[in-house]
Amino acid sequence: AQSVTQPDIHITVSEGASLELRCNYSYGATPYLFWYVQSPGQGLQLLLKYFSGDTLVQGIKGFEAEFKRSQSSFNLRKPSVHWSDAAEYFCAVGSNTGFQKLVFGTGTRLLVSP
Amino acid sequence: EAGVTQFPSHSVIEKGQTVTLRCDPISGHDNLYWYRRVMGKEIKFLLHFVKESKQDESGMPNNRFLAERTGGTYSTLKVQPAELEDSGVYFCASSHKIGTGASTEQYFGPGTRLTVT
Repeated sequence: AQSVTQPDIHITVSEGASLELRCNYSYGATPYLFWYVQSPGQGLQLLLKYFSGDTLVQGIKGFEAEFKRSQSSFNLRKPSVHWSDAAEYFCAVGSNTGFQKLVFGTGTRLLVSP
Repeated sequence: EAGVTQFPSHSVIEKGQTVTLRCDPISGHDNLYWYRRVMGKEIKFLLHFVKESKQDESGMPNNRFLAERTGGTYSTLKVQPAELEDSGVYFCASSHKIGTGASTEQYFGPGTRLTVT
């Protein structure tokens, strides 16, 4: 069965510092991987996705993620965090067939300190 | 292009009452999904429609939950009778089918926060 682990429930980062949010997945084949963000009062917004090809994917708002098959990881990174990045971040895995029932991690809440 | 919309944004009901949540997907999206997040837990899949047909309802908790998508447009999720453990945020998502066995990524609505007291 598919599963996703986000080991960090909360992370606090200073504004301007770099960020890395961890995500490990369990899936029997090549997965489809996603990072979503939920800002306060908002819905889930897709940051980036990996389907195939280049293992380093670029997303919106300056985020990137790297797929590492050997580590079953898909960590999210940003070189310089802005106060507006404070939100909850969710990693998700979907099957590599068309109808993607997403399996989510428990989320990581990012706090940005001045 | 309008995104996925959900109504209401919040609902507070008493145990034993009935509540109906509505989701309007992005126009033209054949796939519609319902998910739920119980406080502090992960977002969990409930069910998936392709047009008006239920493709996968393996995540529905029990028979107190009834989802419909008449005409393949908007969808409703009814909880009857509601129990305390049904409290949570219910998300709807939609995606576009692109050929056989493929679809775009899912676009999520803002969610409906349901509180059962």
